[in-house]
Amino acid sequence: GAGVSQSPRYKVAKRGQDVALRCDPISGHVSLFWYQQALGQGPEFLTYFQNEAQLDKSGLPSDRFFAERPEGSVSTLKIQRTQQEDSAVYLCASRAGGISSYEQYFGPGTRLTVT
Amino acid sequence: SQKIEQNSEALNIQEGKTATLTCNYTNYSPAYLQWYRQDPGRGPVFLLLIRENEKEKRKERLKVTFDTTLKQSLFHITASQPADSATYLCALDPNNQGGKLIFGQGTELSVKP
Repeated sequence: GAGVSQSPRYKVAKRGQDVALRCDPISGHVSLFWYQQALGQGPEFLTYFQNEAQLDKSGLPSDRFFAERPEGSVSTLKIQRTQQEDSAVYLCASRAGGISSYEQYFGPGTRLTVT
Repeated sequence: SQKIEQNSEALNIQEGKTATLTCNYTNYSPAYLQWYRQDPGRGPVFLLLIRENEKEKRKERLKVTFDTTLKQSLFHITASQPADSATYLCALDPNNQGGKLIFGQGTELSVKP
């Protein structure tokens, strides 16, 4: 089966533009996570869904960041009025759910560059 | 404050030797800890999970230890190969509920032939 896919792989946005990043998790995976990764750093948590419910959005850096997963599968991370500090790799991960396995499966990421 | 830290310096070793990577945490009480591998331009890939009641976990040439008293996990790659060159990330679940992971900054390992 296919892994987690993300699109686009690369996005260049002018400062002030809105962007939308898509994540297709592994089919049937209940949990979906978004992380932001700066160069040379580990991923930093942004937000987490269980099915369509957004259970934790404590990592979203500002109200310009918004995520949704309306049907409990595909998710979109939207960044409004992009700023240069938003430049990073945005990683999506999914997890099967339950207590038997806690590992997360990551997509390749979307590299966002804000000019 | 809560922190999770890995060897900040890159690790360079000779092929065939054992690589040992360190992960230390403060002000967390994780029930389990995970290790991931990340190659340039790719997302992290899960390697191993070790629970608090497990002192050691092995998978092929990989070995992980978890000392909840020292608040430390060690990750070992024995008989290292150039193909093991990558960044290795440790991660913990601060709420022990299968939710978000907190990652260390990663240790870059380079294995020279």
